[in-house]
Amino acid sequence: EADIYQTPRYLVIGTGKKITLECSQTMGHDKMYWYQQDPGMELHLIHYSYGVNSTEKGDLSSESTVSRIRTEHFPLTLESARPSHTSQYLCASRGIPSYNEQFFGPGTRLTVL
Amino acid sequence: SQQGEEDPQALSIQEGENATMNCSYKTSINNLQWYRQNSGRGLVHLILIRSNEREKHSGRLRVTLDTSKKSSSLLITASRAADTASYFCATEEGAQKLVFGQGTRLTINP
Repeated sequence: EADIYQTPRYLVIGTGKKITLECSQTMGHDKMYWYQQDPGMELHLIHYSYGVNSTEKGDLSSESTVSRIRTEHFPLTLESARPSHTSQYLCASRGIPSYNEQFFGPGTRLTVL
Repeated sequence: SQQGEEDPQALSIQEGENATMNCSYKTSINNLQWYRQNSGRGLVHLILIRSNEREKHSGRLRVTLDTSKKSSSLLITASRAADTASYFCATEEGAQKLVFGQGTRLTINP
């Protein structure tokens, strides 16, 4: 069982609200990732971080932002949610000793009305 | 950009049969990984095969890699109902990022 946590698991909010999706890992991994996944579809990388104070945009353009102030914490923020943001958001991390394997959190299913 | 394409998109077999899923990719890779996702959950790493390897086994899983054809296959032998899930291949080109395929939805019928 991976020690990577996401909260909330489910979130239903109205358009225009600001939201933060939390992701924490207790494995001391330096690399962390956010993916967006629509039901039954592939994962798209939207943000990643190689360590504290390092953040990069992924392959899929996203209006969300991330921060990495602490090694264990990689929150994702949407300043103004829209129905097009409705999706599942998966957080992952990797690091020593299983350096190639990514560990995933359970995901946050976001619905914007 | 989508790197891996998986085939078939959906597969339904009887318990005890073998399940084979295929993945094709487009660019040179460092390694290829297979992950499993139960409905609505996060992904779990199954197996990794490096670009200089041709076959790898882990329990009931067998993975092959053909870099000349840019393809990989995942074989699950003696399938069980608990194997019902989506299976994704992911390729790593460099920069320690994975690119995932669309996945194969596997259903094992009791």
